[in-house]
Amino acid sequence: GNSVTQMEGPVTLSEEAFLTINCTYTATGYPSLFWYVQYPGEGLQLLLKATKADDKGSNKGFEATYRKETTSFHLEKGSVQVSDSAVYFCALQVRPGAQKLVFGQGTRLTINP
Amino acid sequence: DTEVTQTPKHLVMGMTNKKSLKCEQHMGHRAMYWYKQKAKKPPELMFVYSYEKLSINESVPSRFSPECPNSSLLNLHLHALQPEDSALYLCASSSQGAGYEQYFGPGTRLTVT
Repeated sequence: GNSVTQMEGPVTLSEEAFLTINCTYTATGYPSLFWYVQYPGEGLQLLLKATKADDKGSNKGFEATYRKETTSFHLEKGSVQVSDSAVYFCALQVRPGAQKLVFGQGTRLTINP
Repeated sequence: DTEVTQTPKHLVMGMTNKKSLKCEQHMGHRAMYWYKQKAKKPPELMFVYSYEKLSINESVPSRFSPECPNSSLLNLHLHALQPEDSALYLCASSSQGAGYEQYFGPGTRLTVT
């Protein structure tokens, strides 16, 4: 079946550190891949997406590259801020227009000043 | 404007009450979703409406009743809920066109007493 595996959290870093949150997936065909972020007490916000192999999604200093050969979509940021503290969800959609998002378990990130 | 609004923000109800959650979007999206999210878990899909017709029901108990009065509005009617139904209820919408990413509202925090 289709599934997403994220690195287990929680992850705690100091401000200005480099961030990587690992995400790997299992899916038939060529899924679209997403990162969502959920700040405390809020809904999910779309952070970035990639729809085909080798695409790089980027937003707010975050980046992720769709790697079909390793079935991965790792989230990176060069210098994190306290305001990046949140829960990050990796998700896949099996085909364009498919209405189901398959989520990973989420990774809680805390950035200390 | 990529905004989905939800009301109320918080709701406390007894097990014999009837209440409704409301969701609205003005992005012209033709697919709308209800999710349930428990603490420290990813969202779980409940219902999907596509072009105002129910297209997916993830075997949700009948005490939850969705309604889509028009393409901009989505309701979730609640009746005879159980304490284990306490959760964050998220609404989302998506276009049927390119991208297909889902945009989430801020959620309604429901407590069943």
